[in-house]
Amino acid sequence: ELKVEQNPLFLSMQEGKNYTIYCNYSTTSDRLYWYRQDPGKSLESLFVLLSNGAVKQEGRLMASLDTKARLSTLHITAAVHDLSATYFCAVDMRVGGGSQGNLIFGKGTKLSVKP
Amino acid sequence: GAGVSQTPSNKVTEKGKYVELRCDPISGHTALYWYRQSLGQGPEFLIYFQGTGAADDSGLPNDRFFAVRPEGSVSTLKIQRTERGDSAVYLCASSFYPSREQYFGPGTRLTVT
Repeated sequence: ELKVEQNPLFLSMQEGKNYTIYCNYSTTSDRLYWYRQDPGKSLESLFVLLSNGAVKQEGRLMASLDTKARLSTLHITAAVHDLSATYFCAVDMRVGGGSQGNLIFGKGTKLSVKP
Repeated sequence: GAGVSQTPSNKVTEKGKYVELRCDPISGHTALYWYRQSLGQGPEFLIYFQGTGAADDSGLPNDRFFAVRPEGSVSTLKIQRTERGDSAVYLCASSFYPSREQYFGPGTRLTVT
């Protein structure tokens, strides 16, 4: 059974500080996603990571993927209040030659950035 | 362009009743997914369709849950004899090959009283 574990589950940061969220998964996969969810809202796609060593950056967020270690990280640089949300990683479960696959999500990291 | 839409946005029903939740995917997306998100948890996979057929329904919790996509576009998730434990936000997503990136709808919040 595939497990996706995120840590920490709760993170309270001060504005201007840096921090990293970790996502470990238990089986091989060829892609990993990071999503953002604001309270009462749906999921907003942040990053799609497709290969070992992939690194993507958007604003103050940077995501990386190490498929050998089955680890992805989401790094937050100089946090601002607008980044307060819940962040999910999700592993794509496409099997064999199938064209699509469902996602297995972590439990999410609830980030609160305080002034 | 239009994103994934879901109706209703909120549904309150009594225990034991039948409910239907609807999902309109992005036009041209061949794959459609249903997930369920309980409070404070990540979304959990229920079922996915490739075209009209259910390619994987392994996430449906029991036989009270059923989903259809008769014309390969709109999908309906049907829940019979609802229970309080069915209360959650039901999310729909769609994608197309080869991108595979899933685009999520706003969800339907189901409350069973």
